[in-house]
Amino acid sequence: DAGVTQSPTHLIKTRGQQVTLRCSPKSGHDTVSWYQQALGQGPQFIFQYYEEEERQRGNFPDRFSGHQFPNYSSELNVNALLLGDSALYLCASSRAGPGGYTFGSGTRLTVV
Amino acid sequence: RKEVEQDPGPFNVPEGATVAFNCTYSNSASQSFFWYRQDCRKEPKLLMSVYSSGNEDGRFTAQLNRASQYISLLIRDSKLSDSATYLCVVNRRGNQFYFGTGTSLTVIP
Repeated sequence: DAGVTQSPTHLIKTRGQQVTLRCSPKSGHDTVSWYQQALGQGPQFIFQYYEEEERQRGNFPDRFSGHQFPNYSSELNVNALLLGDSALYLCASSRAGPGGYTFGSGTRLTVV
Repeated sequence: RKEVEQDPGPFNVPEGATVAFNCTYSNSASQSFFWYRQDCRKEPKLLMSVYSSGNEDGRFTAQLNRASQYISLLIRDSKLSDSATYLCVVNRRGNQFYFGTGTSLTVIP
């Protein structure tokens, strides 16, 4: 049973560029949430997708956008990258009802 | 005020010691509570859910005090492999989870 898979694992981008990160949820999960984790900090909620719509959003600018596909996989897009966007980006999947998230291993983004 | 607050530590304890981590949450409407473990440069992994009645999983015991909005994790007989960052997590509505900054634990031989 595949867990949550994210790609790529590492990425280096230049300030001002755009990036797309991808996530496939765990089998049986229909909800995908994205988190940003800066060094030494806990994960910060970016947004959550369910039924191909953004259901909730954290305190992130519009430069951060996303999408969920009919197969429940998801993309996170970040435009006009800033140095401060350098972080570990975590995708977590879940299903409706109580229970914890399952996290992917993350994409480590470095903006130079 | 942050949704979830934790003492970042670090906690450095000898093998075999008992160590306790605490966490407070700000919103009384929080519904579900968890402890996650995160190893260096890895993703967080669910350690255990936390219930009002308290729950135990081997050497780990979690407690929830809704009146005080306080969550705790107790680790008995610490092992070297317990060294990690422990994240306190609360869920308020829907499926949005709020994370603390984590508490760093190092178990020393």
